[in-house]
Amino acid sequence: EAGVAQSPRYKIIEKRQSVAFWCNPISGHATLYWYQQILGQGPKLLIQFQNNGVVDDSQLPKDRFSAERLKGVDSTLKIQPAKLEDSAVYLCASSLLGGAGFQETQYFGPGTRLLVL
Amino acid sequence: DQQVKQNSPSLSVQEGRISILNCDYTNSMFDYFLWYKKYPAEGPTFLISISSIKDKNEDGRFTVFLNKSAKHLSLHIVPSQPGDSAVYFCAASVSARQLTFGSGTQLTVLP
Repeated sequence: EAGVAQSPRYKIIEKRQSVAFWCNPISGHATLYWYQQILGQGPKLLIQFQNNGVVDDSQLPKDRFSAERLKGVDSTLKIQPAKLEDSAVYLCASSLLGGAGFQETQYFGPGTRLLVL
Repeated sequence: DQQVKQNSPSLSVQEGRISILNCDYTNSMFDYFLWYKKYPAEGPTFLISISSIKDKNEDGRFTVFLNKSAKHLSLHIVPSQPGDSAVYFCAASVSARQLTFGSGTQLTVLP
C-alpha cells in the first residue's frame, strides 16, 4: 500500500514570496490533515479535511495560509506571502474515516521542509 | 500554553537496557494518548496508544503507562535496540478530535 505522498521535499524562498505544497493521501482515506512542525517543537494541526469539507481550521493563519481539497483526494496548502517564522516542516497525514468517534491512526507523509530567507 | 510536555529533549541508553520516555499533560479532558516515532527525513509513525480507561497497554517491547492522577504518561522500551534511536513524540486528544503533540525526545541507543 502506497503511503502519503508529499512534494516538494524541500523549498527555499524569500520572505513575501508565495509557496504551495501538495499532498496525496493514502488511497481511500477520507480524512486529510496538514501540520506545521517548527524546529524543536511537535507537529501542530493547521487544518483537517473530511472528504472535501473542512472539519477544523481553527489554528490556520487565514490571512496568509489557505488550503483546499477540491475533489476529496489530494490537497494543496499555500502560503502567501511567506514570513520568516513560517520556516518549518509541513506534514500531511491521512486517516481512513475521521470523525468516527474513536481515535484513528494517522499516517504521515515525509513532509516538506520550508526555509524562508 | 503547552498542554503536552516532554521535558527531556534527549535520552541515551545502552543497548539491551530499558528506555523510559516521559510525558506530562495539563488538560484533564484528554482521553486518548499516543506515542509516535520519527526517523530523520521521515514523517512520524504511530507506535502505541492508550485510552484513559486503562493504565497500561503493551505491544511487544513497548509498554505505555498512564497515571491520570499525576497527568503523566510514560513509554517503556525493553530491551532497547539501536534501531529504536529516533525522536519520540507523545500526543493526546479529546474525544477523538485533534491531536496535541509534545515537543519530542531524541532517544539514542548505544551499541
